[in-house]
Amino acid sequence: GQQVMQIPQYQHVQEGEDFTTYCNSSTTLSNIQWYKQRPGGHPVFLIQLVKSGEVKKQKRLTFQFGEAKKNSSLHITATQTTDVGTYFCAGLFGGNTPLVFGKGTRLSVIA
Amino acid sequence: DTAVSQTPKYLVTQMGNDKSIKCEQNLGHDTMYWYKQDSKKFLKIMFSYNNKELIINETVPNRFSPKSPDKAHLNLHINSLELGDSAVYFCASSPRLGTGSYEQYFGPGTRLTVT
Repeated sequence: GQQVMQIPQYQHVQEGEDFTTYCNSSTTLSNIQWYKQRPGGHPVFLIQLVKSGEVKKQKRLTFQFGEAKKNSSLHITATQTTDVGTYFCAGLFGGNTPLVFGKGTRLSVIA
Repeated sequence: DTAVSQTPKYLVTQMGNDKSIKCEQNLGHDTMYWYKQDSKKFLKIMFSYNNKELIINETVPNRFSPKSPDKAHLNLHINSLELGDSAVYFCASSPRLGTGSYEQYFGPGTRLTVT
């Protein structure tokens, strides 16, 4: 079946360091979404990317969608302890197919 | 007002029992989902309903039966619970398919523990 691969699985950073998580698909995506799940919480929608090469920013977070619409990344600049959680990408392959979630990247930030 | 709500939040039960989880959304969305998140945090879709109609049914044992009495509600009934059913179950909703806006809004989750 269609899969979205996400790496790394875990990332530990010192507060103030940058963080990046990557998602890849072997087939073209119609769009890609990113979610954040705090420990003990539920996934919360962050952003949706639709266009080839799209870049969107939300404060310290930068989201990119690859030119071929097969990969995406989330970059956090100068991490803070509030960034702790698991970040999921989720790809939509079109039609009535369900959103396919990556396995997530669990971010720990050491103060 | 809670956008997507689920009850109960916690459910502890013994193997072989039957249990239900309820979900309601007040966002006016047409599409609702059930996801299972295991101990490794993997999120896997189980079912999707669009305006009360089942549109996605992933490879889930038929002990799991969803029911959507109206487009604001999607319940999940589980028969003959097994140890492997222990997980967090999330309900989610999203705007109508085809609108171009597919972000999903998740409920707080139901942590099911089968002993």
